[in-house]
Amino acid sequence: KNEVEQSPQNLTAQEGEFITINCSYSVGISALHWLQQHPGGGIVSLFMLSSGKKKHGRLIATINIQEKHSSLHITASHPRDSAVYICAVRSLDSNYQLIWGAGTKLIIKP
Amino acid sequence: KAGVTQTPRYLIKTRGQQVTLSCSPISGHRSVSWYQQTPGQGLQFLFEYFSETQRNKGNFPGRFSGRQFSNSRSEMNVSTLELGDSALYLCASSLVGQGVSNEQFFGPGTRLTVL
Repeated sequence: KNEVEQSPQNLTAQEGEFITINCSYSVGISALHWLQQHPGGGIVSLFMLSSGKKKHGRLIATINIQEKHSSLHITASHPRDSAVYICAVRSLDSNYQLIWGAGTKLIIKP
Repeated sequence: KAGVTQTPRYLIKTRGQQVTLSCSPISGHRSVSWYQQTPGQGLQFLFEYFSETQRNKGNFPGRFSGRQFSNSRSEMNVSTLELGDSALYLCASSLVGQGVSNEQFFGPGTRLTVL
């Protein structure tokens, strides 16, 4: 079993829909990261969380440390949000190495 | 502040050759991590350098090696290239070292094609 699991693997939605991407992990962590990768490869860090909730524009990230679960929400989705969203955790067990989820490919149709 | 830069951006090599990729972190960042991303795969961690020392290493064969210089610039070397080494190689820098959660900033990547 992977230490970081994301769901769904693929998500297609219509413009304007509320999007939720989930990340579950099985290791002790010091922080959880959400990143965005556009076609062409560039990766941008969206959030770094160790507790609670963070908001940036239409993006909201939450984390529940007890349940070892995080969600990334996108409100009023737009075609430009189409990308791969990746969850990564900084593991306490592996010398603080980042452990990566496989990513969620999001397509927003106009 | 300039972002993370990687050179070259694209590279074509043949099997058996070796290749060196370069990464310049954001000024002041002392940690550099390298990742391999193949089509359909998530990021695979190669290694992390901090203050010229390799701090973490992923599960890659010894053909993959790296180093970090005193100015924090890092190079990654792959010897005896195989077709399966074709991938996007990403470098990320962060400010401080082990035990502290800090944001990683990614470069644009080097796309390596092995023929």
